[in-house]
Amino acid sequence: GIQVEQSPPDLILQEGANSTLRCNFSDSVNNLQWFHQNPWGQLINLFYIPSGTKQNGRLSATTVATERYSLLYISSSQTTDSGVYFCAVGYRLAFGKGNQVVVIP
Amino acid sequence: DTAVSQTPKYLVTQMGNDKSIKCEQNLGHDTMYWYKQDSKKFLKIMFSYNNKELIINETVPNRFSPKSPDKAHLNLHINSLELGDSAVYFCASSQWIRRGASGANVLTFGAGSRLTVL
Repeated sequence: GIQVEQSPPDLILQEGANSTLRCNFSDSVNNLQWFHQNPWGQLINLFYIPSGTKQNGRLSATTVATERYSLLYISSSQTTDSGVYFCAVGYRLAFGKGNQVVVIP
Repeated sequence: DTAVSQTPKYLVTQMGNDKSIKCEQNLGHDTMYWYKQDSKKFLKIMFSYNNKELIINETVPNRFSPKSPDKAHLNLHINSLELGDSAVYFCASSQWIRRGASGANVLTFGAGSRLTVL
């Protein structure tokens, strides 16, 4: 099956800082989604982005399908951005192990 | 009005018991899923149904049996519970996209059901 690797595994940010999360995947795909799991466990879909760039408020994502990676950018981070960010890839949506993000005030 | 709802939210039970988790979606989606999230937060797909038909059946012990009475409902029954079954089980739904077709099966998740086996 498709292998999905996310980095960094853990990240601590000062409120207001910017950050980049990376997702590498092992095979060509036409389905890639980013999710945020908040500290209460709720999973929210952030982006469907098999290729190209999308923006939603302070979050943006870029997928370079030919090079098999995707990036999630968080700008001007807020404490509500804390949680785990997951990349899920492929027809069966294989999940990476996530990026644990903690934003401190 | 909750889009994907799961019950119960918490379930504590003894080893060897049988338990069920129910899921309902009101989004009009054709496809529903069960995911298991372990203590290290790893999310793994277990099953997927499209319009009551099983389409994804990952390597899961046969003590786990999904059932979809209609496309808006997907239940998970677990027999002879073991300690290792303790986890959070998430239900999700999406539009149906055939493999290789264009479009997105964007997932909407329920709030999760935390199962603790003692």
